[in-house]
Amino acid sequence: KNEVEQSPQNLTAQEGEFITINCSYSVGISALHWLQQHPGGGIVSLFMLSSGKKKHGRLIATINIQEKHSSLHITASHPRDSAVYICAVIVVKDTDKLIFGTGTRLQVFP
Amino acid sequence: EAQVTQNPRYLITVTGKKLTVTCSQNMNHEYMSWYRQDPGLGLRQIYYSMNVEVTDKGDVPEGYKVSRKEKRNFPLILESPSPNQTSLYFCASSLWATTDTQYFGPGTRLTVL
Repeated sequence: KNEVEQSPQNLTAQEGEFITINCSYSVGISALHWLQQHPGGGIVSLFMLSSGKKKHGRLIATINIQEKHSSLHITASHPRDSAVYICAVIVVKDTDKLIFGTGTRLQVFP
Repeated sequence: EAQVTQNPRYLITVTGKKLTVTCSQNMNHEYMSWYRQDPGLGLRQIYYSMNVEVTDKGDVPEGYKVSRKEKRNFPLILESPSPNQTSLYFCASSLWATTDTQYFGPGTRLTVL
C-alpha cells in the first residue's frame, strides 16, 4: 500500500463545476505540498500547508494533520485547469525527503 | 528570470553508455533534488542535496550518482544506464528545504535501449 494515496485517479468535469481532489497518507507528516503538472509536463507548486486552509484565486487547499487527509478544491473550474494534480508529503521522521502520490488527472470540458 | 534548467530535454541512448543530465538553478537555493516519474508510480526521489558537498539518497538511488560542487549545479550521472532507467526525470530546488516552495525543471525524457 502506498504511503500517499490520491482520489480519484481520474476526474472529468464540465466548465464551472466545483472540483475536489483528495490526498490521504498513512504516515506522520509535518507538511504537505500540492503540485500541478501541465499537459506539457511542467510541474508548478500550488500550495504548501501544515495546518488549516490556504486559498489562491480559485484554488483552496485544506489539511487535517490528525486525520491524515488533505483536499484541493477548484471553484468555477475552467478548461485551463486540466492537468495532473499531485500531493507530496514531508514525513516527520525524515523531513529532508518528499513522498508523492500518483496524481489525479483532471479534465475540464467547455 | 528565476528558473531551474535541465539539459538535455530528450535523450535516447544505449545500455551501458555513461550519461549526465545537468541541472542548474539561478535562485541561490540550498536544497536540490532529483526525481523520476513513471506511469502508475508517480514521482520518486532519487537523490537530494541540502548544501554544497552534501548529498543523500532518496528512495530509488540505485544506478545513479550525483554531485554538488557548486550551489547552482546538481548533475545526475548514470554510469551504466539500463533500460529500467527509461523515465522522465525532474530536477527541483527550494530555498532551504522540503518545507519551502519547490521549483521544478522542465524535465528530461530519457530512453535507454
